[in-house]
Amino acid sequence: RKEVEQDPGPFNVPEGATVAFNCTYSNSASQSFFWYRQDCRKEPKLLMSVYSSGNEDGRFTAQLNRASQYISLLIRDSKLSDSATYLCVVYLSGYSTLTFGKGTMLLVSP
Amino acid sequence: NAGVTQTPKFQVLKTGQSMTLQCAQDMNHEYMSWYRQDPGMGLRLIHYSVGAGITDQGEVPNGYNVSRSTTEDFPLRLLSAAPSQTSVYFCASSARPSNQPQHFGDGTRLSIL
Repeated sequence: RKEVEQDPGPFNVPEGATVAFNCTYSNSASQSFFWYRQDCRKEPKLLMSVYSSGNEDGRFTAQLNRASQYISLLIRDSKLSDSATYLCVVYLSGYSTLTFGKGTMLLVSP
Repeated sequence: NAGVTQTPKFQVLKTGQSMTLQCAQDMNHEYMSWYRQDPGMGLRLIHYSVGAGITDQGEVPNGYNVSRSTTEDFPLRLLSAAPSQTSVYFCASSARPSNQPQHFGDGTRLSIL
């Protein structure tokens, strides 16, 4: 069974804080990994892909651990505008489909 | 740039009615999909298509039909609406889901009374 698990949160952090989310996936044949961001009552949007060697995009760092079957997202220097739900997404080769986690809610306060 | 366009944005139906949610994309993407999003359930795949003339079932296909007669359009039909189908529906398209982003429409908020 395809499964992607995330802590639903919410994670309440002050501006400027560093926060990290983890996501675990059950199928070791999972091929590609992504983090999407979804604002309240809006459509999901791609935040970043997750590469095997880890990758960084500004204040955001994503890492993949295939041995333990989890991916992580680190947000440094949190901004109020980072408040959103972060969705972990896994692509499983052979199914041609993406599986979305239920999301982790982040609330950044002044 | 239009991207992925969904219509209608809001709809209220009575139990037993049928309707079609429209989805169109102008990016020449081969891959299109429909999801529903319910509180506490996340996004669940209803149906998807890897190209014109090809469709397949996702995780929760019961009560829904799709067709893909053109690359641009991927309508979702509710055959006989039930209150359990009250949800937010998102259509998405991608050039290649394995390594290209999914582009989502704005969503359709559907209530079944």
